[in-house]
Amino acid sequence: AQSVAQPEDQVNVAEGNPLTVKCTYSVSGNPYLFWYVQYPNRGLQFLLKYITGDNLVKGSYGFEAEFNKSQTSFHLKKPSALVSDSALYFCAVSANRDDKIIFGKGTRLHILP
Amino acid sequence: GAVVSQHPSWVICKSGTSVKIECRSLDFQATTMFWYRQFPKQSLMLMATSNEGSKATYEQGVEKDKFLINHASLTLSTLTVTSAHPEDSSFYICSASLSAASFEQFFGPGTRLTVL
Repeated sequence: AQSVAQPEDQVNVAEGNPLTVKCTYSVSGNPYLFWYVQYPNRGLQFLLKYITGDNLVKGSYGFEAEFNKSQTSFHLKKPSALVSDSALYFCAVSANRDDKIIFGKGTRLHILP
Repeated sequence: GAVVSQHPSWVICKSGTSVKIECRSLDFQATTMFWYRQFPKQSLMLMATSNEGSKATYEQGVEKDKFLINHASLTLSTLTVTSAHPEDSSFYICSASLSAASFEQFFGPGTRLTVL
């Protein structure tokens, strides 16, 4: 069965600094990987996904993620953090396009002004 | 495009009553809709998957008689929490898929249910 781990409950970054939110996964076969962001009392907003192709995926709001098959990781990155990036970020994985998506427990990102 | 709405955004009800939550795909036809539950500071847990015109598929541990799901049309799915209890208080989020592919999900804004 597939699983996803977000090892950090919270990440603090100063505004303007680069940020990384970590995610590792376990799935048999080729994974479908996703990042979502959730603002307080709101649903999830899609940021980006990896299906196949280039290991570096670019998404919304300047975010990108790098798929690393050997390390089974899909870390979310942004070169320069904004205070408005403060939110809860979820990594998710699916074993195939028709399988359910499994979400990580989330990482709360705090961007300090 | 691909907007999903939920109604109500929040609801407070008395223990023992039933509550209906609507999930609508506003600008597309959703072959499949999903219902999730999110506890405070925890991840989303898939409750059930519903396809228009057929019975929902519930995840293990989810009581189908308590959480009634109806997917009457390609743009509307409803979740009814029957005989609600305080432990049912949670944030319920729906999502809709453009196709049968689960990974193409668009999420609603969520409904916060508080049972007194």
